[in-house]
Amino acid sequence: QSALTQPPSASGSPGQTVTISCTGSSGDIGIYNYVTWYQHHPGKAPKVMIFEVSERPSGVPDRFSGSKSGNTASLTVSGLRAEDEAQYHCSSYAGNGKVIFGGGTRLTVL
Amino acid sequence: QVQLQESGPGLVKPSQTLSLTCTVSGDSVIPGLYYWSWVRQPAGKGLEWIGHIYTGGYSKYNPSLEGRVTMSVGTSKRQFSLDLNSVTAADTAVYYCARMYCKNYYPLYYFDYWGPGILVTVSS
Repeated sequence: QSALTQPPSASGSPGQTVTISCTGSSGDIGIYNYVTWYQHHPGKAPKVMIFEVSERPSGVPDRFSGSKSGNTASLTVSGLRAEDEAQYHCSSYAGNGKVIFGGGTRLTVL
Repeated sequence: QVQLQESGPGLVKPSQTLSLTCTVSGDSVIPGLYYWSWVRQPAGKGLEWIGHIYTGGYSKYNPSLEGRVTMSVGTSKRQFSLDLNSVTAADTAVYYCARMYCKNYYPLYYFDYWGPGILVTVSS
């Protein structure tokens, strides 16, 4: 299974809304609802922001939302804040016990 | 509160075996209750799932690493380990141990707890 495809970078000004895409295939995102988004600050452990496509763990602001259409999943961050600046990784179950990740998107808050 | 901590050498010579241990506190490494996993990130690249160990001590590995990787659970049930043999410079990365969340023993394929990561460099 190939890695998922994410744009290398995204940006927005404080208060704006940014959407990051994650494109897979009919063998992963297209067929399974196990899409996860992680926020990753340098030198820290990744943190789950969205799991099972659109579910938010407790403690994650509702400014973060997830969705999926066909083979592409999306993470939307609304009301952008300075602390949202980080790398965001998507992942998906790819069948037969395998997990695949995207290449990561660096979100910059201008 | 569950905490994970990776340990092991930060420098490994090419063709040798990279061996890392993950020590878990606040939980027990009982395969089946959760899946215990390794993930790595080469500099400037995305995350890569290495594999996990689960029910009955069975393990599942990334096909791209199959044949070079072995995972095991320690006898204390507070540790699990990763061995990656025949390493090359391409295996240089930050290595993370992580817990894959399970609900009613069924994996949901996301990692809810992670260690801080350990940089392993492959170089002579």
